Amino acid sequence: SQTIHQWPATLVQPVGSPLSLECTVEGTSNPNLYWYRQAAGRGLQLLFYSVGIGQISSEVPQNLSASRPQDRQFILSSKKLLLSDSGFYLCAWKETGGFGYTFGSGTRLTVV
Amino acid sequence: GEDVEQSLFLSVREGDSSVINCTYTDSSSTYLYWYKQEPGAGLQLLTYIFSNMDMKQDQRLTVLLNKKDKHLSLRIADTQTGDSAIYFCADASGGSYIPTFGRGTSLIVHP
Repeated sequence: SQTIHQWPATLVQPVGSPLSLECTVEGTSNPNLYWYRQAAGRGLQLLFYSVGIGQISSEVPQNLSASRPQDRQFILSSKKLLLSDSGFYLCAWKETGGFGYTFGSGTRLTVV
Repeated sequence: GEDVEQSLFLSVREGDSSVINCTYTDSSSTYLYWYKQEPGAGLQLLTYIFSNMDMKQDQRLTVLLNKKDKHLSLRIADTQTGDSAIYFCADASGGSYIPTFGRGTSLIVHP
């Protein structure tokens, strides 16, 4: 069966420090992968999505970036975190051509 | 751009029915989803409906779609305390079918 893993579950980082959040999917090939951010009291904002290795689409300009070094690995990064980067980050995947999205358990990032 | 709107809070008594409403603006929406998020967790797909359907029932859940008014609702029968969570409405259309989410409705179930 397919599973999605996100880590770490919680993270507290100082302003200006780098960030690396990782997401991996098991039990499937060539998934579409997504990074969402959920800020306090707000809905889900799509940050990046990828339909294949090395292919990244960015939905909003910001100081975050994403990479897909392997078929089932999706990484969210930042060189220098801002206070406004605090939030709950969710990774999701779906099968190519499918319509159901499966979400990871999320990473709670607090920038202090 | 596309927009999905939901009320932020709903409070119901245990055993009553809950109805969570959602409106969307994209007339080309093909799939409409309801997700549930429990505290500190990711989103769990509850149910979905295709745009060519009016209703879908799955155990205690009933989804109603009024495509003319672009209105989607989720009815939970016999609401239990375990149903307390945030419920997200989402719609997806176009070739990428990337969903646009509402801000979520926080359902509070009290005894």
